[in-house]
Amino acid sequence: KAGVTQTPRYLIKTRGQQVTLSCSPISGHRSVSWYQQTPGQGLQFLFEYFSETQRNKGNFPGRFSGRQFSNSRSEMNVSTLELGDSALYLCASSRRDQNTGELFFGEGSRLTVL
Amino acid sequence: AQSVAQPEDQVNVAEGNPLTVKCTYSVSGNPYLFWYVQYPNRGLQFLLKYITGDNLVKGSYGFEAEFNKSQTSFHLKKPSALVSDSALYFCAVRDGGFQKLVFGTGTRLLVSP
Repeated sequence: KAGVTQTPRYLIKTRGQQVTLSCSPISGHRSVSWYQQTPGQGLQFLFEYFSETQRNKGNFPGRFSGRQFSNSRSEMNVSTLELGDSALYLCASSRRDQNTGELFFGEGSRLTVL
Repeated sequence: AQSVAQPEDQVNVAEGNPLTVKCTYSVSGNPYLFWYVQYPNRGLQFLLKYITGDNLVKGSYGFEAEFNKSQTSFHLKKPSALVSDSALYFCAVRDGGFQKLVFGTGTRLLVSP
């Protein structure tokens, strides 16, 4: 069974640009969330999607947005990039109906903002 | 808000010795607690969880964790460490949302041969 797939794995952008990251969850998983990992702030929750609806949002500015499609795939977008947005962005999926809590993470998209 | 704390930035242990990675929690209500491991340039891998029930939780790769309500702790343990256990370990607690976890700062485990 394929795991969570994130693309691209690595990307470099310059300040002011925007970026879109993609996440394909494990087959059968309908819940997707995104996390930002930085050396300074650690792992921080960005948002959670289920059935194409945002269910929860972390404390990030409006430049950070996301969406989920009918096939459960998800994208997140960061507009007007800042140097501080350089981070590893992790996507996670789970079967919401199990309510068992464990998340399955992808290997992440490493964004560098110059 | 729920939170977890990992008081040690790094834990060093010799191969074959027991290891403990510490985690304390602060929650309102019943905690949903997790341990994840991260290898270099990789995502997080689930190790184990405590939802309810037995205080000793067994997980992947021979790891276990002990839930202690009176000490508000959820320490990760393994009877005999392997060099391949060297990685970054995160304690986490569910915070309101189904997939919303609050993570600790992480503890780097270094197992020497």
